[in-house]
Amino acid sequence: QKEVEQNSGPLSVPEGAIASLNCTYSDRGSQSFFWYRQYSGKSPELIMSIYSNGDKEDGRFTAQLNKASQYVSLLIRDSQPSDSATYLCAVNRPNAGNMLTFGGGTRLMVKP
Amino acid sequence: EPEVTQTPSHQVTQMGQEVILRCVPISNHLYFYWYRQILGQKVEFLVSFYNNEISEKSEIFDDQFSVERPDGSNFTLKIRSTKLEDSAMYFCASSGDLGYGYTFGSGTRLTVV
Repeated sequence: QKEVEQNSGPLSVPEGAIASLNCTYSDRGSQSFFWYRQYSGKSPELIMSIYSNGDKEDGRFTAQLNKASQYVSLLIRDSQPSDSATYLCAVNRPNAGNMLTFGGGTRLMVKP
Repeated sequence: EPEVTQTPSHQVTQMGQEVILRCVPISNHLYFYWYRQILGQKVEFLVSFYNNEISEKSEIFDDQFSVERPDGSNFTLKIRSTKLEDSAMYFCASSGDLGYGYTFGSGTRLTVV
């Protein structure tokens, strides 16, 4: 079974701190990796994509990919209460069109 | 910013009834998807659609489900005979190319009673 695993949390950080969210995946052939943010009762919103090993930064967000370890992470710097949400890791299924497999999500709580 | 539009936002139906969930993907996107999320659970893939045909489908997407792109803008998911376990949030999504992330619609909450 090809899976994407995340710690469900909640991960609680104080406002202004760095939040670190982690994800592991099982299919070595996966090439595309995404982080989505989902507020309660809302749809997933794409916040980061990463395709090659290393770091990719976009504003307060940094995605990190290590294909050898089958590990993806998301760092959120200067966390704000508005960042409180569930963060979903999604990984493409190789040879399956553009199908994504989602992890169960990590709930992040940023306390003022 | 371009949006994926879904209607209705909430639908209540009786077990055994047919429902059609509607989506208008982003206009220049080529790949379309339906996912569902049962309350408190993972987002699960149902089906992907490209060039007017299904490109992939999951084990969930059985004979009760069908998809159509009846015109140049709409993309529909039909559930022929709903079951209680079909109650979930159904998300339509679209993407411009393979390997790109999706844009999700706001979802249809389906409640089967």
